[in-house]
Amino acid sequence: QLVLTQSPSASASLGASVKLTCTLSSDHSDYAIAWHQQQPEKGPRYLMKLNGDGSHSKGDGIPDRFSGSSSGAERYLTISNLQAEDEADYYCQTWGTGPNWVFGGGTKLTVL
Amino acid sequence: EVQLVESGGGLIQPGGSLRLSCAAPGFTVSRHHMTWVRKAPGKGLEWVSVIYIGSNTYYVDSVKGRFTISRDNSKNTLYLQMNNMRAEDTAVYYCASFGGPAYYMDVWGKGTTVTVSS
Repeated sequence: QLVLTQSPSASASLGASVKLTCTLSSDHSDYAIAWHQQQPEKGPRYLMKLNGDGSHSKGDGIPDRFSGSSSGAERYLTISNLQAEDEADYYCQTWGTGPNWVFGGGTKLTVL
Repeated sequence: EVQLVESGGGLIQPGGSLRLSCAAPGFTVSRHHMTWVRKAPGKGLEWVSVIYIGSNTYYVDSVKGRFTISRDNSKNTLYLQMNNMRAEDTAVYYCASFGGPAYYMDVWGKGTTVTVSS
């Protein structure tokens, strides 16, 4: 079964960096994913597509502070120079046969 | 700027029906694979339904037989007809489009709230 696992919460200080993790189920460790950001009371926003080799393509207007990387079944979203507006829920998402689109449970990022 | 604007949400009793709409000014719905995603209170995002450019449709198991996705090309609008609604359908419903192949959603609406309660 295609599953994405995320830690429920993370926190970091203003101006610091944070690395969020999304883990693919073992049978799907080479899958690409997408990262989406959802700020409070807003619709989600597409951040980037991230491949298994770490290459990624960002959405329009996404700042350079957002980057992606991969290692095995893990997909990462790194946010540098954290800003107050980065406080949000971050979801990873992938796609499979069926068809089916799967989201991770989301990570709530708090900027201290 | 591409926009997706949902409407039609509200309070509905269990067993009732509701139709959500997603207008797309500056964007041609028929030229994109389109989808509905929902977020229930206290939970994460859940894919609900998709309509491909070629009009094939698919649904998450929990809504099969109750929900119908469609689009009206003349009105450039996406719809989600929801029948026999249940309390567990309570959520914010977002429409979204896929960028190219139907892999990831690259444009999202702001959502419309649906509450199923007696």
